Amino acid sequence: ETGVTQSPTHLIKTRGQQVTLRCSSQSGHNTVSWYQQALGQGPQFIFQYYREEENGRGNFPPRFSGLQFPNYSSELNVNALELDDSALYLCASSLNKEEKLFFGSGTQLSVL
Amino acid sequence: DAKTTQPTSMDCAEGRAANLPCNHSTISGNEYVYWYRQIHSQGPQYIIHGLKNNETNEMASLIITEDRKSSTLILPHATLRDTAVYYCIAHTSGTYKYIFGTGTRLKVLA
Repeated sequence: ETGVTQSPTHLIKTRGQQVTLRCSSQSGHNTVSWYQQALGQGPQFIFQYYREEENGRGNFPPRFSGLQFPNYSSELNVNALELDDSALYLCASSLNKEEKLFFGSGTQLSVL
Repeated sequence: DAKTTQPTSMDCAEGRAANLPCNHSTISGNEYVYWYRQIHSQGPQYIIHGLKNNETNEMASLIITEDRKSSTLILPHATLRDTAVYYCIAHTSGTYKYIFGTGTRLKVLA
């Protein structure tokens, strides 16, 4: 079975731009969660998608948005990038919305 | 979810048991204790979880005190590859988010 894969692995953007990060969930998993991890900090929950619907959201502004597709892969979109958006963005899939998480290796986003 | 408190860092000699403590004094009855670890440049990896009984799997053992206010993750024979940040999380069953703290940075020494 394939694990969680994220693309791209690294990305550099400038302030004000928009970015789309992609995640393929582990085979058989119907739930995807996104986390932001700043340097030296633990991951912070952004939102979760279960069967193509947003199932919960953390304390992030509306310019952070997402999608989940019928094959349960997912996208994270961030508009109007700010310098503080520089972080490692982690995607995690789970068998159901309440199950343990399986994380990808993340996308390192740098905003200049 | 209850707040957890962990030491910032610990060292352990290779081949010895690594005992990582976690305090969760405000944990409620339906909150599980989860442990994840994050090796440098990778996403967190699930290790183990439990409610009130001690648990063991191929990676580690989890010892939860009878009052559930604290727990210990035990890596029985630490190797250099166990060097990582270990996160202890009190997670309410049925909720969608995990609240990660800053974890314990474990360094296994040769």
